[in-house]
Amino acid sequence: GAGVSQSPSNKVTEKGKDVELRCDPISGHTALYWYRQSLGQGLEFLIYFQGNSAPDKSGLPSDRFSAERTGGSVSTLTIQRTQQEDSAVYLCASSFLQRNTEAFFGQGTRLTVV
Amino acid sequence: SQQGEEDPQALSIQEGENATMNCSYKTSINNLQWYRQNSGRGLVHLILIRSNEREKHSGRLRVTLDTSKKSSSLLITASRAADTASYFCATAPNAGNMLTFGGGTRLMVKP
Repeated sequence: GAGVSQSPSNKVTEKGKDVELRCDPISGHTALYWYRQSLGQGLEFLIYFQGNSAPDKSGLPSDRFSAERTGGSVSTLTIQRTQQEDSAVYLCASSFLQRNTEAFFGQGTRLTVV
Repeated sequence: SQQGEEDPQALSIQEGENATMNCSYKTSINNLQWYRQNSGRGLVHLILIRSNEREKHSGRLRVTLDTSKKSSSLLITASRAADTASYFCATAPNAGNMLTFGGGTRLMVKP
């Protein structure tokens, strides 16, 4: 596609349920990022996939959070047993795996845990 | 923890005035980038400045970088109401390509 696509755009879930958020990066981009943004706040790094190397998971806030990237393309962020504090906008970005490149962002998934 | 910190956190100006936002960071960088975000959704890349550059221009945008002070500034000249948005700096370290974002500056341009 022409840009980074995220789905769903909005998700409302009950506390304790599991959710899956999807990111389709720009074709050919080997780097993929997940960030989380609470209302009016900055971007909190979650996880970074860098080509065939092991992903940097240092930003995942708890073991309820996991992410995978299949075939070097589509990525899924899974949150198990959701809590109200998980409510935020989850942003995905992709880029070429080079030193001086810009990241292209999707429009995000707004997650609300009730 | 955030690598970059923007200052001020919020800025309100009149249309036609210039807006200056600052970013400070902590570790060495390969490049620094500025992004814009409307309505809390996806970010759009504005400009990238490499560590060996001191100043860069793009239209009404002017970015400076002072690696000795670990700081950068974004100047928007002749601001317009449509420039109202949040602006974030992001740094890419020497060791890799992961982008780390600051807390952002919320700019409001009043018509």
